[in-house]
Amino acid sequence: QVQLVQSGAEVKKPGASVRVSCKPSGYTFTGYYIHWVRQAPGQGLEWMGRINANSGGTNYAQKFQGRVTMTRDTSISTAYMELSRLRSDDTAVYYCARVGRVVVPDTITHAVDYWGQGTLVTVSS
Amino acid sequence: QSALTQPASVSGSPGQSITISCTGTSSDVGAYKYVSWYQQHPGKAPKLMIYDVSIRPSGVSNRFSGSKSGNTASLTISGLQAEDEADYYCSSYTSSSTYVFGTGTKVTVL
Repeated sequence: QVQLVQSGAEVKKPGASVRVSCKPSGYTFTGYYIHWVRQAPGQGLEWMGRINANSGGTNYAQKFQGRVTMTRDTSISTAYMELSRLRSDDTAVYYCARVGRVVVPDTITHAVDYWGQGTLVTVSS
Repeated sequence: QSALTQPASVSGSPGQSITISCTGTSSDVGAYKYVSWYQQHPGKAPKLMIYDVSIRPSGVSNRFSGSKSGNTASLTISGLQAEDEADYYCSSYTSSSTYVFGTGTKVTVL
């Protein structure tokens, strides 16, 4: 069965960086994109960006350009999201999520079919 | 990229039908068939309910349906049930090769 397992909760000080990992299983890692979505307490979903797990190519939301870096290690089928210069309003649950690639048949593209369990990142002095 | 606009709340009685709107622009909702809808219960990860405007993933009840007209997409829940009480979010692909979510709608079953 498909699962995306994320790293554990983090507490960081303002100005620091955080790296969250996402390890999918149950499917071919390079056949999909990994998207990152966050949700601040009591707020809505916010799309941060995506990485093509095959090529490593990325697209980031303009809001996070220059502050977010998404990478992947195909040797261990793991994706990473690093957010730098943290502020208190970055406190949120961060989700990784799977989205199909158009070139791979019989996948749902442009929509998330599986989500990680979420990682709470708390930014506090 | 601004969030897509959804009503903050929608309510209905059991058995009724409700519709949630999702308004974007000609650069996102109006430009592509790639609108999706997610259901989220408190403390849980979102669940995909509709993709490509109107397609239900396997296992999703046929009480959920989607449509689009111009820059506005809609999610209709028919035969409303207590378990449908949750937050709902739309999402769209954009002309910048990015995605955007809606502001979210809280559905209450009276």
